[in-house]
Amino acid sequence: KAGVTQTPRYLIKTRGQQVTLSCSPISGHRSVSWYQQTPGQGLQFLFEYFSETQRNKGNFPGRFSGRQFSNSRSEMNVSTLELGDSALYLCASSFRTGGTGELFFGEGSRLTVL
Amino acid sequence: DQQVKQNSPSLSVQEGRISILNCDYTNSMFDYFLWYKKYPAEGPTFLISISSIKDKNEDGRFTVFLNKSAKHLSLHIVPSQPGDSAVYFCAASERGTYKYIFGTGTRLKVLA
Repeated sequence: KAGVTQTPRYLIKTRGQQVTLSCSPISGHRSVSWYQQTPGQGLQFLFEYFSETQRNKGNFPGRFSGRQFSNSRSEMNVSTLELGDSALYLCASSFRTGGTGELFFGEGSRLTVL
Repeated sequence: DQQVKQNSPSLSVQEGRISILNCDYTNSMFDYFLWYKKYPAEGPTFLISISSIKDKNEDGRFTVFLNKSAKHLSLHIVPSQPGDSAVYFCAASERGTYKYIFGTGTRLKVLA
């Protein structure tokens, strides 16, 4: 069974640009979450989607957005990039519909903003 | 406000001994807890979970203890192996919020 797939794995952008990251969940998983990891900050929750609906959003500015498609694949977008957006962005999928249960993470997309 | 805290940034343990990683939380509404292990350049890997209706859960070398009155959970690894060297994160969730709050991680080093 394939795991969570994130693309691209690495990318470099400059300030002011925008970026789109993609996530394909494990087959059969309908919940997809996004987290940002920066040194010393652990994993910070960005948003969670289930059946194309955003059920919760973390404390990030409106520049961070996401969506989920009917096949459960998800994308997140960051517009007007800032230096502080440099981080590892992790996508996780879950089989549970109630919001609890194990999260299965992808390997992440490492974004560097210059 | 850090609702989930891992106050030890790092821990070193001899191979074969017990590793104890600690996690404290402040939100009494958290009812599900997870532990993850993370190697560099990889995504976090699920280790073990515990529901608030239990106070202990075991899976092989890994045991998680939950003390609800103290709002404290711990992960015990026995015996520790060099391959266990990684960063360990605890995470907590409140039913209905559809999100996990993660701690900042503890870097475990198991010395051969």
